[in-house]
Amino acid sequence: AQSVTQLGSHVSVSEGALVLLRCNYSSSVPPYLFWYVQYPNQGLQLLLKYTSAATLVKGINGFEAEFKKSETSFHLTKPSAHMSDAAEYFCAVSVPQGGKLIFGQGTELSVKP
Amino acid sequence: ETGVTQSPTHLIKTRGQQVTLRCSSQSGHNTVSWYQQALGQGPQFIFQYYREEENGRGNFPPRFSGLQFPNYSSELNVNALELDDSALYLCASSSGGQLNTEAFFGQGTRLTVV
Repeated sequence: AQSVTQLGSHVSVSEGALVLLRCNYSSSVPPYLFWYVQYPNQGLQLLLKYTSAATLVKGINGFEAEFKKSETSFHLTKPSAHMSDAAEYFCAVSVPQGGKLIFGQGTELSVKP
Repeated sequence: ETGVTQSPTHLIKTRGQQVTLRCSSQSGHNTVSWYQQALGQGPQFIFQYYREEENGRGNFPPRFSGLQFPNYSSELNVNALELDDSALYLCASSSGGQLNTEAFFGQGTRLTVV
């Protein structure tokens, strides 16, 4: 069975500071991993995904994540936060040939001016 | 290329009633998945339809049912509504019945049960 744990339900950073959102996964088989962003009253938008190719994955809006098998982690980072990054972020896991995404509880990112 | 569209965007129902939510999948996609997102929670998988057949189901009771039509649009039906069914319902479309490819989400339908 697969599961995802996001550490920290709320993260606050200053504009221009590093963004680090933590995600740990559990999977009995090599997983596919995803980060989605959700703005207020919106659906989910894919930021990036890991599907067993390069362990460092670059996504949209300057975000990237690194798959670390030894740590079962897939943390999301961005070197310099922008006000427009304020949103809810979800980490999700699936498996090859799988049909569903399993989401974490989400991390709300606030960006202070 | 049209995106995933859901209707209605909001609705209010009374406990015990039935509701139907609709989803039009992205052009070229043959797979639709439905998720329930309670306030402050991550989305929970309800079920998936691939080429008009149910292709996986989450831990939801039978009063949650669905359909997929030949044009790959989909409906989610919920009978005997309960207060705890109040949530944002998200539809996602993809191709191939698997998650090797990106799943595109609609804006969601906000259901309130009173």
